[in-house]
Amino acid sequence: DGGITQSPKYLFRKEGQNVTLSCEQNLNHDAMYWYRQDPGQGLRLIYYSQIVNDFQKGDIAEGYSVSREKKESFPLTVTSAQKNPTAFYLCASSIDPRAAGNQPQHFGDGTRLSIL
Amino acid sequence: AQSVSQHNHHVILSEAASLELGCNYSYGGTVNLFWYVQYPGQHLQLLLKYFSGDPLVKGIKGFEAEFIKSKFSFNLRKPSVQWSDTAEYFCAVTPYGNNRLAFGKGNQVVVIP
Repeated sequence: DGGITQSPKYLFRKEGQNVTLSCEQNLNHDAMYWYRQDPGQGLRLIYYSQIVNDFQKGDIAEGYSVSREKKESFPLTVTSAQKNPTAFYLCASSIDPRAAGNQPQHFGDGTRLSIL
Repeated sequence: AQSVSQHNHHVILSEAASLELGCNYSYGGTVNLFWYVQYPGQHLQLLLKYFSGDPLVKGIKGFEAEFIKSKFSFNLRKPSVQWSDTAEYFCAVTPYGNNRLAFGKGNQVVVIP
């Protein structure tokens, strides 16, 4: 079945350590996204990528970094500069809206990151 | 940048009651609108979407939403809810041709059997 795989489901790290969250999709989608979900806050866009080797900052990019070396993969690194990293992180993908108009985003199951 | 408002973050109702969740957005141009649902322990999934045409759109599980351009609104409705509709519901908007979704803060809906 096609879909988006995020791993791990739960992640614990010590304060001051960088941590990388994995996101892989086999939907052949060009565009990929990272969101952060906090209780009562909805989803906020961290970074997005519309094509390989290109990505753009979202609304809350500070303290995060991404790469897009392959179409299928869009890993997110939460750096030690992120002041409040404990959150639920969601990855999504979609057909490139520039080519096909707006398309719904498909979401992964998420990674819950806790900083100890 | 566009923003989305959802009111009444927590909604509790009994089975067979009607549900209406409000969604207002701020953006003056052409937009695409979505409602996503997140059932307990599951991933976010699309409930329905509006791109163009008939402003009354029907989604899965008996949900519908009406786009009222003059009011910048896209309210979600279901005439008779079931216990299985217990979930968190998110409204999202993006300008046409730009997939930077802006989400509302969500409505936590609890249906009591």
